[in-house]
This record gives sequence, C-alpha cells and structure tokens, in this order.
Amino acid sequence: EVQLVESGGGLVKPGGSLRLSCATSGFSFSPHAINWVRQAPGKGLEWVAFVRGGSNYMFFADSVKGRFTISRDNAENSVNLQMDTLRAEDTAVYYCASSGGVDISMLAYWGQGTLVTVSS
Amino acid sequence: QSVLTQPPSASGTPGQRVTISCSGRSSNIGTNTVNWYQQLPGTAPKLLIYADNHRASGVPDRFSGSKSDTSASLAISGLQSEDEADYYCATWDDRLNGPVFGGGTKLTVL
Repeated sequence: EVQLVESGGGLVKPGGSLRLSCATSGFSFSPHAINWVRQAPGKGLEWVAFVRGGSNYMFFADSVKGRFTISRDNAENSVNLQMDTLRAEDTAVYYCASSGGVDISMLAYWGQGTLVTVSS
Repeated sequence: QSVLTQPPSASGTPGQRVTISCSGRSSNIGTNTVNWYQQLPGTAPKLLIYADNHRASGVPDRFSGSKSDTSASLAISGLQSEDEADYYCATWDDRLNGPVFGGGTKLTVL
C-alpha cells in the first residue's frame, strides 16, 4: 500500500522556521518527483515546491522562493521542506504528493496533510 | 489569480450530467496534458483524471475528461450526492517552467 505521511506542522511566530517531513512507503521512491502543495483555509491548492527523482532538480513557487528549501533522502524514502522566515500568508495545510511519472503535475498519491499556522 | 481559469461553482441534480471547464493558454494546456483532482470535504485531494482523459484507478466511468486547444473539461454523468466536492485542474506551464492548478470548482448536488 502506498503511503505518504507528513509531519512537523504546528504553530510558529512570524519570522520563525519550521521543517516538514514526508515519509513514504509502498512505491519505488527514487525515480519519482515529490511535491509540496498547500491549501490556505478556505482557499484553493497552490504548488509550493517539488524535487525530481534522479536529477534532484528543484522548483519553488515565487511566493516561497528564497525562504523555503527542499531536500530528499533516497535511502530513507523521505523528503523535507525547510521553511524559514515564515509569514502569516504561509498558514495552510501542507500536503506532500508523489508525481506519477514524467508529468510532474500528475500527483498520483497524496498524504493526509499537516497544518502550519503562522501567528503571533 | 490562478493561471488556469475554472468557474468557482457548478451544480446539478442527481442523475444529471455536469461539466466543469478549465481554461488556459498555449504555454500550458495548449502544450501539456491536463490532470483533474477531486477533493471531498475535509480530505486530501485525489487524482481523478490524468493525461487529459484517462481515469485513475478506481474512478467510475461516470467521470470523463477532454481537451481542445487551450481548454479542458471534466464531465460527470449520472450525478450522485457523493460527487459533491471541489474539483481542480492542473498541468505544466512551459512559460512559468512549473506546474499550475486551476482555482477550483465547488460542485453542489442539489
């Protein structure tokens, strides 16, 4: 059974940092891109970042560029999202999702999400 | 404002057929395949349709996808109450060099 499990969410003050983790199992991790998608309360989905399998190419949305970094550990089948200089507008449920193949936008499997709240 | 444009809402009665549109441009839908996601209330999104018109595993054949030029559509026939959800389209954008979502459509079953 394919599983993606996010952890690390919580309450943080503006300007603070948080590290989200996505632990995966049940599929061949190395070749597949892993994505972070967020959803602010009552809003739609927003692509935050992804890291490709194999090449480790990374993408970041303009809204988080320079503040978020992503890393993957192929030995542990996990991906981390380091979030620095957090802002109120980063408040959202963060989902990790695996791309199904060459098409990054085809997110075949999703985690249950972890809530990040940025507030003083 | 989302790169891909979806109507914010749609509705239908049980048994009806409804369609949800997703409008883009040549750099995204015009060049790349479209995927659709269903998000039931309080749950994570789920892949519904991939590569324009292929149903993901376990998705009933009441759901279908199509694409023409720079627009895509999701059709749901024989509407059921459990179809009430938010629906999102997504694709790659060559100009932005990244993946993009539509703004989402909230489907209400009356």
